[in-house]
Amino acid sequence: EDQVTQSPEALRLQEGESSSLNCSYTVSGLRGLFWYRQDPGKGPEFLFTLYSAGEEKEKERLKATLTKKESFLHITAPKPEDSATYLCAVQEDNAGNMLTFGGGTRLMVKP
Amino acid sequence: DAGITQSPRHKVTETGTPVTLRCHQTENHRYMYWYRQDPGHGLRLIHYSYGVKDTDKGEVSDGYSVSRSKTEDFLLTLESATSSQTSVYFCAISDARRQFFGPGTRLTVL
Repeated sequence: EDQVTQSPEALRLQEGESSSLNCSYTVSGLRGLFWYRQDPGKGPEFLFTLYSAGEEKEKERLKATLTKKESFLHITAPKPEDSATYLCAVQEDNAGNMLTFGGGTRLMVKP
Repeated sequence: DAGITQSPRHKVTETGTPVTLRCHQTENHRYMYWYRQDPGHGLRLIHYSYGVKDTDKGEVSDGYSVSRSKTEDFLLTLESATSSQTSVYFCAISDARRQFFGPGTRLTVL
């Protein structure tokens, strides 16, 4: 039973074409939801933490939102340098500091 | 980067040989983690540590052991490597709010 599911698995966009990535989760109590960016051959790089439904965080062209069942990573007017794999992870109330990751969305932005 | 190094960065070994991967941090964080990343499975937790000599198992701990004798070092050992342990291994450290990842070690078991 998957706790964290990301969709789509891969997404191709033209430069400037805005879109959203989805992360749906099923946990009994959410302590936090995390977004990471991973470039090929590198470790995941922290982007955002969201703690409660309705919360939003922004960084440059990225905005993360959270509901009780899912999170969205909105990418506005993407550039080729935004191409990467985006990972989301959840931290449950009774799981200490451990994270459960989704499979990721591979984003490709063409100029 | 969050002051995390992993060594070696690449390793090729043969089935049945022991392998030790090292994670070193300069942040003095209490929590350290070992993950493996495989296509179709994402990142999965192998073991973690919440202090010197304090470790616990993660989701995929079979075939792996860990040790932490100093705050800054967390070692992952494959006692007898198998082909199913071919993967990319990431170390992470945590300030109890966020996890920061190292650059990874690509391990190939032939």
